Amino acid sequence: EVQLVESGGGLVQPGGSLRLSCAASGFTVTNNPVTWVRQAPGKGLEWVSVIYTGGMTYYADSVKGKMTISRDTSKNTVFLQMNSLRVEDTAVYYCARVWGTMVRGVTVEPFDYWGQGTPVTVSS
Amino acid sequence: DIQMTQSPSSLSASVGDRVTITCRASQSIESYLNWYQQKAGKAPKLLIYAASSLQSGVPSRFSGSGSGTDFTLTISSLQPEDFATYYCHQTYSTLWTFGQGTKVEIK
Repeated sequence: EVQLVESGGGLVQPGGSLRLSCAASGFTVTNNPVTWVRQAPGKGLEWVSVIYTGGMTYYADSVKGKMTISRDTSKNTVFLQMNSLRVEDTAVYYCARVWGTMVRGVTVEPFDYWGQGTPVTVSS
Repeated sequence: DIQMTQSPSSLSASVGDRVTITCRASQSIESYLNWYQQKAGKAPKLLIYAASSLQSGVPSRFSGSGSGTDFTLTISSLQPEDFATYYCHQTYSTLWTFGQGTKVEIK
């Protein structure tokens, strides 16, 4: 059974740092990309970052330079290091598995399994 | 970045109604379009991928269509458990983006 479990969220002061973890089971992070998505209170979903099976990473413009995605393959865990946090980074952070599936000759990448989310509050 | 615009932002409907939600991309995304359902306090759930493919386990009353820039999600007969917020999501470009969401409420 595929599961993703986030941890590491909490209250942090503006300018502070936090590292989120996403522990995966039922698949390996070397076989499927893993992504982070956040949702500010009362707002919609915002894609944050992805790490591909080969280690390539991508970031939304809003977090580029202040967030870093990485993984520990021995622990089958993906991390999101968040620095220089601002009030507007307050959100529930979800990790999700990226399902690379071929449809009509092209590889699409929906997010088929999600964690329960971990809340991050940036406040003084 | 590719902008995804959903309409309407919210709608009220009754059980049994046919509901259609539209998603428009700022440029062609071919069929790289997915739909998710999110209930309050829960993680999103994948409904439709590649514009029209139904995810395993999702009821057949959900369907998706479209390609290029214009897409629709249709619920053929709204059920009580379908009241939720729905998001479209493009994976055409490297920088993935979501629509702003459509909240489906009980009339």
